[in-house]
Amino acid sequence: NAGVMQNPRHLVRRRGQEARLRCSPMKGHSHVYWYRQLPEEGLKFMVYLQKENIIDESGMPKERFSAEFPKEGPSILRIQQVVRGDSAAYFCASSPPYTSGGDNSYNEQFFGPGTRLTVL
Amino acid sequence: LAKTTQPISMDSYEGQEVNITCSHNNIATNDYITWYQQFPSQGPRFIIQGYKTKVTNEVASLFIPADRKSSTLSLPRVSLSDTAVYYCLVGSYTGRRALTFGSGTRLQVQP
Repeated sequence: NAGVMQNPRHLVRRRGQEARLRCSPMKGHSHVYWYRQLPEEGLKFMVYLQKENIIDESGMPKERFSAEFPKEGPSILRIQQVVRGDSAAYFCASSPPYTSGGDNSYNEQFFGPGTRLTVL
Repeated sequence: LAKTTQPISMDSYEGQEVNITCSHNNIATNDYITWYQQFPSQGPRFIIQGYKTKVTNEVASLFIPADRKSSTLSLPRVSLSDTAVYYCLVGSYTGRRALTFGSGTRLQVQP
């Protein structure tokens, strides 16, 4: 049972270029989350998506950043016109569908290995 | 969201028991306490979750006092491979599903 997959694992871009980060959730998971981590810091939430819907994008910068999770294919985090400050590790996580009436306390998220973006 | 406070770093030796305490004075009635572990260059991994008293699994134990204003993650007989950053998270997870990570505790296990 494959875990969350992210690619590429390492991405180098020059200032002004576009970066596309891909995330394939675990089988059966329909919820995807993107987080960003700077060195020596904890992860910071960016966006939460379900298939074809953005549920919560409160942590994502309003300019240059966008995310999608199409009906078919992986989730994509897109960063346009990258700047040096975008250099970070970007982690994707997935979770199974939220079941009404079930154990609402449990919200384990399964994280991928991350994509390390370096902007030159 | 309840703010959490935990030590920045801890050192231990192989075979010892390690206890990492997290303070969450403003924890709400519906909040649960969850711990994640992160190895270098990897994504975080769920360790354990609890609401009150004690929870134990094959990896760790979680102790939560009656007032729930703190919690202690206990790792029995650590090994070098337990060197990682440990994050304490507090949230109800019935509303906003984003996880809020603090700076975590960097555990270094020495031989």
